[in-house]
Amino acid sequence: QKEVEQDPGPLSVPEGAIVSLNCTYSNSAFQYFMWYRQYSRKGPELLMYTYSSGNKEDGRFTAQVDKSSKYISLFIRDSQPSDSATYLCAMSDAGGTSYGKLTFGQGTILTVHP
Amino acid sequence: DVKVTQSSRYLVKRTGEKVFLECVQDMDHENMFWYRQDPGLGLRLIYFSYDVKMKEKGDIPEGYSVSREKKERFSLILESASTNQTSMYLCASSWGTPNSPLHFGNGTRLTVT
Repeated sequence: QKEVEQDPGPLSVPEGAIVSLNCTYSNSAFQYFMWYRQYSRKGPELLMYTYSSGNKEDGRFTAQVDKSSKYISLFIRDSQPSDSATYLCAMSDAGGTSYGKLTFGQGTILTVHP
Repeated sequence: DVKVTQSSRYLVKRTGEKVFLECVQDMDHENMFWYRQDPGLGLRLIYFSYDVKMKEKGDIPEGYSVSREKKERFSLILESASTNQTSMYLCASSWGTPNSPLHFGNGTRLTVT
C-alpha cells in the first residue's frame, strides 16, 4: 500500500464548477500538507500549504486537512480553463520537512472545459 | 523569482551509457533534490542533498548516484543507463526550514533505448 493515495482521474468539469480533489495517507507522523499544481511540460509549483489539521483559504482555493481520518482535500471554486493541470498532494513529517523531503500522491489530471 | 534550471529538456541515450543530468539553482538554497515522475506513480525521491558534498538516499536510489561539489549545482548520474530509467526527472531546491516550499525545474525527459 502506498503511503499516499490519490485518484489520478482524469477529471473533466465545465467552467464554473466546484472541483474537489482528495488524498488519503497512512503515515500518522505527517504534519505538513501541500498541494502542488503542474502545468503541461512544466515543473510542479506550490499552490497551498497547511500545517496539521484545519482549513486554509486562498482566493478560489481551499485546502482541508482531517488528520483523524488521514484525509486531505483541495477545493477549487468557480473553476476556470486556466486551472487545467495536474494537481499533486504532498506531505511530510517534521523531520522530513526540515530537509524538504516530501511524499507525493500520484497526481490528479484536471481539465476545465469552457 | 527562484530559478531552478535543468540543463536538458529532452535526452535520448542508449542502454549502458553513463548519463549526467545537471541542475542549477540561483537562490542559495541549502537543499536540493532529484525526483523522477512516472504515470500512475507520482513523484518519487531518488536522492537529496542538504549541504555541499552531503547526500542522502531517497526512496529509489538504486542505479543512481549524485554529486554536489558546489552549493548551486546538483548532478544526477546514471552509471549504466537501463530502459527502466526512462522517465521524467525533476530537480528541486528549498531552504532548510519547515515552511519552505520546493522549487522545481521544468524537468528532463530521458529516454533510454
